[in-house]
Amino acid sequence: QKEVEQNSGPLSVPEGAIASLNCTYSDRVSQSFFWYRQYSGKSPELIMSIYSNGDKEDGRFTAQLNKASQYVSLLIRDSQPSDSATYLCAVNKGNNRLAFGKGNQVVVIP
Amino acid sequence: EAGVAQSPRYKIIEKRQSVAFWCNPISGHATLYWYQQILGQGPKLLIQFQNNGVVDDSQLPKDRFSAERLKGVDSTLKIQPAKLEDSAVYLCASSFGVSSTEQFFGPGTRLTVL
Repeated sequence: QKEVEQNSGPLSVPEGAIASLNCTYSDRVSQSFFWYRQYSGKSPELIMSIYSNGDKEDGRFTAQLNKASQYVSLLIRDSQPSDSATYLCAVNKGNNRLAFGKGNQVVVIP
Repeated sequence: EAGVAQSPRYKIIEKRQSVAFWCNPISGHATLYWYQQILGQGPKLLIQFQNNGVVDDSQLPKDRFSAERLKGVDSTLKIQPAKLEDSAVYLCASSFGVSSTEQFFGPGTRLTVL
């Protein structure tokens, strides 16, 4: 079983719509979770971190965490063409060692 | 504030050759990470340093990969000898410490092994 799984294929959304990304993790003791955005040919940049069950909102981004189900999600509201990128889910394995999923590509269609 | 610096940005080598990558973290960041990102996959942590000590190198293929951070600032990652499957982007990242703080990534070095 992979430490972090992101199984959805490329996601195409119309401009202004909501993009929804999901991630599951295997280690129940994980305490902190992150979403990174990676533009093609660029390095990852942190967009959201979440540590407690529930929702965390930051601008157009909302992260959701359910530790009982070992599930993290990211919602992007009012999607813009500039949101077109690969979104990486990451889990802290302790001592800030991150395990990443393979990523989900999002394409926002104008 | 200057970001994480890496060099070279691109490298092409033949299999069985050696290669070295350099990273200079953000000033004041005690923790430094090397990741390998193969095309279509997420980054995989190879090694983590806290100052000049190794915190975790469990995923570093030690028969061919080595890394050092002698003075607790910049770091080098070496591959000797390289294999075709080492073709990837090598990302360096740094953070203030080992608590749950943001990791800042450098631009990466794209390695192609022919």
